[in-house]
Amino acid sequence: DGGITQSPKYLFRKEGQNVTLSCEQNLNHDAMYWYRQDPGQGLRLIYYSQIVNDFQKGDIAEGYSVSREKKESFPLTVTSAQKNPTAFYLCASSIGGGDAGYTFGSGTRLTVV
Amino acid sequence: KNQVEQSPQSLIILEGKNCTLQCNYTVSPFSNLRWYKQDTGRGPVSLTIMTFSENTKSNGRYTATLDADTKQSSLHITASQLSDSASYICVVSSSGSYIPTFGRGTSLIVHP
Repeated sequence: DGGITQSPKYLFRKEGQNVTLSCEQNLNHDAMYWYRQDPGQGLRLIYYSQIVNDFQKGDIAEGYSVSREKKESFPLTVTSAQKNPTAFYLCASSIGGGDAGYTFGSGTRLTVV
Repeated sequence: KNQVEQSPQSLIILEGKNCTLQCNYTVSPFSNLRWYKQDTGRGPVSLTIMTFSENTKSNGRYTATLDADTKQSSLHITASQLSDSASYICVVSSSGSYIPTFGRGTSLIVHP
């Protein structure tokens, strides 16, 4: 079955550490996205990639970095510069732009300890 | 600025009852509107998609309506079940933007 897989489901980070969240899709989608979700707030866009080896900043890119070396993979690194990283992170993919509809992963919950 | 407003923010109903969730948007030019269901701790899943020419679309007990003139959409849930407890997110896409606009969602709790 085609789908989008995020791992790990739960992640704990110590102060000052970088952590990387994995996102893999086998839907042959060109576009991939990372969103952050906090309680009571809507999804906020961190980064997105329309094509391999290209990505753009979203609304809240500070303290995050991404790469898109393969069509199937779009990992997100939460750096130590992100001062409030505790949140639920969602990866998504789409055939083209967002008007084509997103397929979401099941999310990664990151907690700073 | 494109915006999507959802109401109510939260809703509690008894099992078996009907409910209606609202979505107002100012996205332009309009391309389509989607309703997603997000279970706690999971990723959102698409329920319906509506384009400019569509007024009503159903998916089982879920019925979405769209009034493109007033820029309003609603999601009606019939004969609610405990499994309907979730957050419902309205997402509006613009043909002029690569990124759609998300509402903050309505949190629905269905009590037995």
